[in-house]
Amino acid sequence: GEDVEQSLFLSVREGDSSVINCTYTDSSSTYLYWYKQEPGAGLQLLTYIFSNMDMKQDQRLTVLLNKKDKHLSLRIADTQTGDSAIYFCAAMNYGGSQGNLIFGKGTKLSVKP
Amino acid sequence: DGGITQSPKYLFRKEGQNVTLSCEQNLNHDAMYWYRQDPGQGLRLIYYSQIVNDFQKGDIAEGYSVSREKKESFPLTVTSAQKNPTAFYLCASSIISGSSYNEQFFGPGTRLTVL
Repeated sequence: GEDVEQSLFLSVREGDSSVINCTYTDSSSTYLYWYKQEPGAGLQLLTYIFSNMDMKQDQRLTVLLNKKDKHLSLRIADTQTGDSAIYFCAAMNYGGSQGNLIFGKGTKLSVKP
Repeated sequence: DGGITQSPKYLFRKEGQNVTLSCEQNLNHDAMYWYRQDPGQGLRLIYYSQIVNDFQKGDIAEGYSVSREKKESFPLTVTSAQKNPTAFYLCASSIISGSSYNEQFFGPGTRLTVL
C-alpha cells in the first residue's frame, strides 16, 4: 500500500523560507495534500495538488510536485512565528478505499524569532 | 457555524473501562472517519463510514468499535481490549466524490488518558 515519508523536524528563523519535503510510494495517487496542526488542535487543510500539476501557488505557500520521483514539497515564504506547527503530507489514491487518506508522520516546524 | 465537534476535549478513564468518544458534524457530509494520533506516529485510521448503518475497519481497528445510526454522528468506543488506548483521537468528515479532491474536515480532537 501507499507509504508517505517526511522528516520529523525543521527549524528556521523568522522571515526565512521553510521547505518541508515529502515522498510517497504509490504513483497512482491522485491528490496530495498538506495539512497543518497547531498544538492540541485538529488538522486544517492548507493546500492540495492534483497529480497532473507540477506546481501550485497560494499566497505564501508554494507546492511542488515531482511525479517521476514521487516527491512533494511545501515552501512557506517569509515564515512567521505563527507558522510554528506540525505539517502533514497526505496522499489519496482513488484506486483504494474511497476517501482513505494516507498521512506522513508530520514535520514539526519551529520558527525562531 | 458548520463544523465538526468532538467532546470532551480531555478524558480520563481507569484501565479496563470502556469509554465512548463523541463526534458530530453539521456539514451534511456522507463520510466520517476516526484517526488515532501518537507522538511521532502521524495519523492512523481506525474506522470509517461512508453511509449510515455501514462502516469499515481501518488500519488499527482492534480494540475499537463504532456505530453510524445517524448521518451527523459517528461515536467511537475504546474498549478494554485496546492494549494501549492513551492517545489523541481525531474525527473527520468529507463529501464522497470519485472525481474531485476530497478534503477531510477535522474536529478539535479528544485526548484520552487511561490511568
